[in-house]
Amino acid sequence: GDSVTQMEGPVTLSEEAFLTINCTYTATGYPSLFWYVQYPGEGLQLLLKATKADDKGSNKGFEATYRKETTSFHLEKGSVQVSDSAVYFCALQGGSEKLVFGKGTKLTVNP
Amino acid sequence: DAGVIQSPRHEVTEMGQEVTLRCKPISGHDYLFWYRQTMMRGLELLIYFNNNVPIDDSGMPEDRFSAKMPNASFSTLKIQPSEPRDSAVYFCASSLTSLTGELFFGEGSRLTVL
Repeated sequence: GDSVTQMEGPVTLSEEAFLTINCTYTATGYPSLFWYVQYPGEGLQLLLKATKADDKGSNKGFEATYRKETTSFHLEKGSVQVSDSAVYFCALQGGSEKLVFGKGTKLTVNP
Repeated sequence: DAGVIQSPRHEVTEMGQEVTLRCKPISGHDYLFWYRQTMMRGLELLIYFNNNVPIDDSGMPEDRFSAKMPNASFSTLKIQPSEPRDSAVYFCASSLTSLTGELFFGEGSRLTVL
């Protein structure tokens, strides 16, 4: 079945550092791909998405490119802030109506 | 606009007791999802509804779990009897359609079963 694998955390960075969180997927067909973010004490919220190969999703300085050849959707940000501290989830939506989530990667940004 | 509203935010109960979690989706959203989040297993889909009808309950762990959606603005997830391994954060989410993949999550109900 469809699945998402994302890098184990936690990830700890200093403010203004470059961020990459790796995500790879397994799916039949051509899924849509998503990154969700969960701030402490809150529910998940959509950060960005891409619906077809080579699409780049972006929001709040975060970017991810849908790479079909490597089945990847890595999340990047050039300069992280303390306020970016959160748990980040990669997800896919394949042939069904369900979203399949990765296990999440906790990011802590220190001032 | 109000988001997805869940209650209670925190629940502590003893093993064997019945637990009822409640969710009010965003008005106009046709889909409602119940997820469970634990450190070990991450985020698991338990069940989802379309227009108040359960579509897929394959993620419901066992018969102790049941979910209902009597109308478009209310859903419940019930655990009876509860067990310590049910301790988790339970999220309700709603979406306008199934096509965009954009879910709107509530703040979750943290359940602790002693």
